[in-house]
Amino acid sequence: GAVVSQHPSRVICKSGTSVKIECRSLDFQATTMFWYRQFPKKSLMLMATSNEGSKATYEQGVEKDKFLINHASLTLSTLTVTSAHPEDSSFYICSARDSEGTTPYEQYFGPGTRLTVT
Amino acid sequence: LAKTTQPISMDSYEGQEVNITCSHNNIATNDYITWYQQFPSQGPRFIIQGYKTKVTNEVASLFIPADRKSSTLSLPRVSLSDTAVYYCLVGEGNTGKLIFGQGTTLQVKP
Repeated sequence: GAVVSQHPSRVICKSGTSVKIECRSLDFQATTMFWYRQFPKKSLMLMATSNEGSKATYEQGVEKDKFLINHASLTLSTLTVTSAHPEDSSFYICSARDSEGTTPYEQYFGPGTRLTVT
Repeated sequence: LAKTTQPISMDSYEGQEVNITCSHNNIATNDYITWYQQFPSQGPRFIIQGYKTKVTNEVASLFIPADRKSSTLSLPRVSLSDTAVYYCLVGEGNTGKLIFGQGTTLQVKP
């Protein structure tokens, strides 16, 4: 099946620094990718929709200047957490839609990135 | 986006059939119903997707009544490794956005 990777899988950074998380679709093209965050014992919360070649669409309450999203190619989207603070510590998960997939609306999820801000 | 409601938790024993029902009263005409499985500290994994009636694959079946206001995920014979959180989602037709509800935590006991 389709594979989505994320890098890094785990990152620890100091408060005030920025962290970039990559999401790649390995064997298919994805014009649309999605970014989620998940707190312990909670469900996934959609943060934004990443569209190749255009600006991301952010969900209500998500700061676009803090969570910078770039979707520069059909296989790569990046999420940059700027000026990270301890409350940004979370599990960040991306997903991608196969542009030519046969299963409507199926999203392939990455393995997630555990961010810890100290 | 259509909201989904499913039980918070369920318990079962190995070898039993497990049915998880999800309600989505406001489902739109072009919405599909999709179920995902998630293990701790992993991304969700696609289980099955359907629009109406019954869909079956190698791991599960999905039953959708004619009014599409609910759906039931059926796991035929669960094992301990099926212990996970199961999410029922209704996909938004145009954007493909998926809004996750609380999910159902399934605990399979020996």
